[in-house]
Amino acid sequence: NAGVTQTPKFQVLKTGQSMTLQCAQDMNHNSMYWYRQDPGMGLRLIYYSASEGTTDKGEVPNGYNVSRLNKREFSLRLESAAPSQTSVYFCASSVGRVSGANVLTFGAGSRLTVL
Amino acid sequence: QQQVKQSPQSLIVQKGGISIINCAYENTAFDYFPWYQQFPGKGPALLIAIRPDVSEKKEGRFTISFNKSAKQFSLHIMDSQPGDSATYFCAASRGTGGFKTIFGAGTRLFVKA
Repeated sequence: NAGVTQTPKFQVLKTGQSMTLQCAQDMNHNSMYWYRQDPGMGLRLIYYSASEGTTDKGEVPNGYNVSRLNKREFSLRLESAAPSQTSVYFCASSVGRVSGANVLTFGAGSRLTVL
Repeated sequence: QQQVKQSPQSLIVQKGGISIINCAYENTAFDYFPWYQQFPGKGPALLIAIRPDVSEKKEGRFTISFNKSAKQFSLHIMDSQPGDSATYFCAASRGTGGFKTIFGAGTRLFVKA
């Protein structure tokens, strides 16, 4: 059981280049999320999708776009990468709210460097 | 503004000691408060969680204490072990607004053998 799979694991971009981070989950979860992790800043929510067909902005959405391709897949796109987007990106999924809980399962992360 | 504030940023504890990490939140709409544990090179994983209708939850050596009136909650790790060395994140989520979860800044815990 793979859980949450992110690709690529590492990527180096030049300023202004574009790229897409892919995420897929095989747990039949309804909700999916993209976070970025920076030293001293914790995990900050970029975008999330509560269910297939919906997406919403999180805390730091500027410079990013997302696509909920189907129930399994949720991609994050950087249209014109900037050095400030150098970070470790995590995709997560959850079944949604069950008995008041929203438990996130995270992928292993994608380390992005923008030069 | 930071919706969930976490302290300390780092913590060094002797083996067998008690590790305490504190968090505070602003939004009273939050109704689920999990703690996640992250080892280097890995994604965070759920450690323990609490809802605001209880003041304490214990699972093995890990305990969450919750103070609803003060809007604060804390993680206590009893008999801390070197294997507990990791980064810990407190978080908060709410049932409306798409179930999004907001995290604190994290605490790097090092347990000395």
